[in-house]
Amino acid sequence: NAGVTQTPKFQVLKTGQSMTLQCAQDMNHNSMYWYRQDPGMGLRLIYYSASEGTTDKGEVPNGYNVSRLNKREFSLRLESAAPSQTSVYFCASTGFGTDTQYFGPGTRLTVL
Amino acid sequence: RKEVEQDPGPFNVPEGATVAFNCTYSNSASQSFFWYRQDCRKEPKLLMSVYSSGNEDGRFTAQLNRASQYISLLIRDSKLSDSATYLCVVDSLRGAQKLVFGQGTRLTINP
Repeated sequence: NAGVTQTPKFQVLKTGQSMTLQCAQDMNHNSMYWYRQDPGMGLRLIYYSASEGTTDKGEVPNGYNVSRLNKREFSLRLESAAPSQTSVYFCASTGFGTDTQYFGPGTRLTVL
Repeated sequence: RKEVEQDPGPFNVPEGATVAFNCTYSNSASQSFFWYRQDCRKEPKLLMSVYSSGNEDGRFTAQLNRASQYISLLIRDSKLSDSATYLCVVDSLRGAQKLVFGQGTRLTINP
């Protein structure tokens, strides 16, 4: 039982490049989330998905898109990376009837 | 005003000491409260939920004060391994968005 997995662990991009961060969970959870964490800012919600086939914007969605491919997978795409998107990105999931969120190990992204 | 506010610290305390953190939240209708722990360069992990009656898990005690809208975390007989950042978390009441995280309180236990 791997819980929540994320790939890649580290990534360096140049301004304007695109990439997709992958997230998968094997806990049969309905809801999945993407956060970014910056020093002094705490965790900020980018997008979330309450269930397969639905996605909604969080606090800081600009510059990102998401896809809930199926119940297990929730991907985050940066179409044209900017230095302001340098951050640590965490994926999380939660099951029905609970608020407890389980996090993946994170992706450390640097945009030059 | 931020939805969840914490003193970022850092708190530096000697091993064996008792340390307490508070966190305030702005939405009086919030129902779910948690403390998460985050080690350096790691993901947040649930430390404990906070119930209206308070709850204890070994050396850790969490309390909720609804009237003043704050939650607290008390760590007794602190260990070196307690060094981490402690995140205060409250439900957002915005449908499936679920949780709002405080920026965290950094704790270092010194030998």
